[in-house]
Amino acid sequence: DTEVTQTPKHLVMGMTNKKSLKCEQHMGHRAMYWYKQKAKKPPELMFVYSYEKLSINESVPSRFSPECPNSSLLNLHLHALQPEDSALYLCASRGPVTDTQYFGPGTRLTVL
Amino acid sequence: KQEVTQIPAALSVPEGENLVLNCSFTDSAIYNLQWFRQDPGKGLTSLLLIQSSQREQTSGRLNASLDKSSGRSTLYIAASQPGDSATYLCAVPRNTGKLIFGQGTTLQVKP
Repeated sequence: DTEVTQTPKHLVMGMTNKKSLKCEQHMGHRAMYWYKQKAKKPPELMFVYSYEKLSINESVPSRFSPECPNSSLLNLHLHALQPEDSALYLCASRGPVTDTQYFGPGTRLTVL
Repeated sequence: KQEVTQIPAALSVPEGENLVLNCSFTDSAIYNLQWFRQDPGKGLTSLLLIQSSQREQTSGRLNASLDKSSGRSTLYIAASQPGDSATYLCAVPRNTGKLIFGQGTTLQVKP
């Protein structure tokens, strides 16, 4: 099973809302990633977790707050977002053997 | 600084044609290169990963090659089908695992 799941598929939120994105994998991968993708652009890395610890933060604004509760789950907490934060948010995981990154289907976020 | 370039940005071919997508990178000190497919509004699907010690990888109608010395990789698609229409991305990792992506090639296969 090489599946990464993400919920919700779509999310519409106001600038004052608090919401969370969820990502899950059961491949035993210990590296997990959050990417942001705008239309017609490649994904941009936001955060990397390695063995449940944050190892990379690509200078992401504090209104995005990642969390890794266990080795299978990755959350992205959202608060006071701006309309320009509207994008496709992708989660990925990577295993230690093949280095292949497996991506989830993404959450389409719209900030009004 | 690693930079990844994909040419062309868009490609339209009739069904049944064989085609080649190109990917170039500036720093040849890579340890692998990954090709992805992305359908509109969807996530990325991993197609092939080539380790730096390999010259090519094959999966079905797809064949990816890697020439580290020239900083190039190609993705060959045989007997293209309308279902192959998508954006194809190549990416190389930094030692942190961060992927450096090309801008992608959007392929349209016409019936």
